[in-house]
Amino acid sequence: QVQLQLSGPGLVKPSQTLSLTCAISGDSVSTDISAWNWVRQSPSRGLEWLGRTYYMSKWYIDYGVSVKGRATIHPDTSKNQFSLQVNSVTPDDTAVYYCARWAHHPRYFDYWGQGRLIIVSS
Amino acid sequence: EIVMTQSPLSLTVTPGESASISCRSSQSLLFSNGSKCLNWYLQKPGQSPQLLIYLGSSRASGVPDRFSGSGSATDFTLKVSEVEAEDAGVYYCMQSLHTPLTFGGGTKVEIK
Repeated sequence: QVQLQLSGPGLVKPSQTLSLTCAISGDSVSTDISAWNWVRQSPSRGLEWLGRTYYMSKWYIDYGVSVKGRATIHPDTSKNQFSLQVNSVTPDDTAVYYCARWAHHPRYFDYWGQGRLIIVSS
Repeated sequence: EIVMTQSPLSLTVTPGESASISCRSSQSLLFSNGSKCLNWYLQKPGQSPQLLIYLGSSRASGVPDRFSGSGSATDFTLKVSEVEAEDAGVYYCMQSLHTPLTFGGGTKVEIK
């Protein structure tokens, strides 16, 4: 059974960096049949895909439109986890953040972490 | 970016009746092999989304056969037959063809 455990500060000040980590159990971040994703949810923006990392002979990282240029996703094979950093946050980045596993075939999110509310406020 | 549009925004259903939710994509979701890259998720209050339907019409493991998905290249429907109280929540469609992956705005289903 795959489990995803999300951790990180729940409150971030505007202009600072949001940092989250998703620890994986029951699977490997280096598997070539899945990708490891970040998704967030807010009343104003709904469900929003932020990006993913996956290994297929080499590491790939993709970013969503709203955080491209501000975000960094990093796989950590030594700890079997992956992380998200978003720089220069604003109150618009306030949301519930999820990590989720994506199965390349047949192309769906099959496991989600529990979700963590991140508030951007001074 | 593929835009996903769901309707209605909300609906109230009596137990035992059926409910239908529509989802339209701004471009074709047909994969090169003919598969329809459209998934349906249900998010119950306080929970993460859970997969109901993938590839347009395939039920995920453990999903009751009351849930069915259908559609063409750009227009999709989720039908819930004989609705039960446990089916309450917000339903989302999501396109899985191209990144950025995108979701519909959600349909809130309430049970009378």
